[in-house]
Amino acid sequence: AQSVTQLDSQVPVFEEAPVELRCNYSSSVSVYLFWYVQYPNQGLQLLLKYLSGSTLVKGINGFEAEFNKSQTSFHLRKPSVHISDTAEYFCAVSGRAPQGAQKLVFGQGTRLTINP
Amino acid sequence: GAVVSQHPSWVICKSGTSVKIECRSLDFQATTMFWYRQFPKQSLMLMATSNEGSKATYEQGVEKDKFLINHASLTLSTLTVTSAHPEDSSFYICSATGQRDTEAFFGQGTRLTVV
Repeated sequence: AQSVTQLDSQVPVFEEAPVELRCNYSSSVSVYLFWYVQYPNQGLQLLLKYLSGSTLVKGINGFEAEFNKSQTSFHLRKPSVHISDTAEYFCAVSGRAPQGAQKLVFGQGTRLTINP
Repeated sequence: GAVVSQHPSWVICKSGTSVKIECRSLDFQATTMFWYRQFPKQSLMLMATSNEGSKATYEQGVEKDKFLINHASLTLSTLTVTSAHPEDSSFYICSATGQRDTEAFFGQGTRLTVV
């Protein structure tokens, strides 16, 4: 079984400042890792994913994340945030399978609020 | 990119009635679809996994007779909330994946309000 812990429920940041959203996971098997963004009353949009290879993953909207196997972490970062980045961010994990994506286990979410 | 369309976006129904939510993959064949439920200011909780042509696999604690899932084709899965009650009010989100995909693609969600 897998579990995901997002260490911060809310993160307030000033516009143009850097931000890091923390995510730790637990799993007895190899996993895929994801970060999603959710705007109010909408579905989830994939920011980035780690499947294998380079531990630094670049995603959309200037976000990146680093997979750290020894610390079982997958923290999300952005060097300079915009007002439009205000949203809920979810870290998620799934098991690996030879065919097709597996069910996702989500963290509790982090509310990122960008202040002018 | 892969597009998943969920319909309706929002629905209000009376207590005791049933509501059907559709999840369609528009440009790929979805061998597996997932249904999630999200309460306000909370995370997504998986309700069930459905594979095309098979019975859905429900997560522990989810009433299969209340939340009927049908995945009769490679592009459509439906979730029917039967005899809905106010406590069923929630945001329901589906996702779909093809056989070669490493990620699932999400619909835009359905806001259900039972009055």
